[in-house]
Amino acid sequence: NAGVTQTPKFRVLKTGQSMTLLCAQDMNHEYMYWYRQDPGMGLRLIHYSVGEGTTAKGEVPDGYNVSRLKKQNFLLGLESAAPSQTSVYFCASSLWGAKNIQYFGAGTRLSVL
Amino acid sequence: ELKVEQNPLFLSMQEGKNYTIYCNYSTTSDRLYWYRQDPGKSLESLFVLLSNGAVKQEGRLMASLDTKARLSTLHITAAVHDLSATYFCAVEVGRGTGNQFYFGTGTSLTVIP
Repeated sequence: NAGVTQTPKFRVLKTGQSMTLLCAQDMNHEYMYWYRQDPGMGLRLIHYSVGEGTTAKGEVPDGYNVSRLKKQNFLLGLESAAPSQTSVYFCASSLWGAKNIQYFGAGTRLSVL
Repeated sequence: ELKVEQNPLFLSMQEGKNYTIYCNYSTTSDRLYWYRQDPGKSLESLFVLLSNGAVKQEGRLMASLDTKARLSTLHITAAVHDLSATYFCAVEVGRGTGNQFYFGTGTSLTVIP
């Protein structure tokens, strides 16, 4: 049982380049989330999805786009990377219900030079 | 602006001692979560607190929730080295587009032999 899988694990980009981070979950969860983690700031929600074909903005959505074409996949895109987007990105999923426990992927460490 | 504040941010304690981590939040919420993160790793769920007065215990950790005071605590009893990690609280807030999570800044715990 893989749980939540993120690819890639590491990436270095130059300013202005674009890339897509992939998150896949095999738990049939409705909710999926993208967070960024920066030193001293905890996790901040970028975008999230409550089901296939739906997306919504979180706390820090600027500079990112997302898509949820299939229930098991949630993609995070950076169209024109900036040094301020250097961070560790975590994807999570949860089964909507009384206990909305999130299951996290291993993270993607992104550096933008 | 919604705030979730944890204190202390850093905690160094000797094995066998007791201590409490505090999580204050600035909005109405009945759901609070505690997660653990080991260095360089992902987050794992520890506790889910779903109502005022809720108390959950697992081993040497006990979490409680006071929704009226907007305060959750994570109490550590007789600390051991294996508890060294960063602990996050997260508040679940309902939005029109779905529920969002707001994380605290984290408490980095080091247990010294």
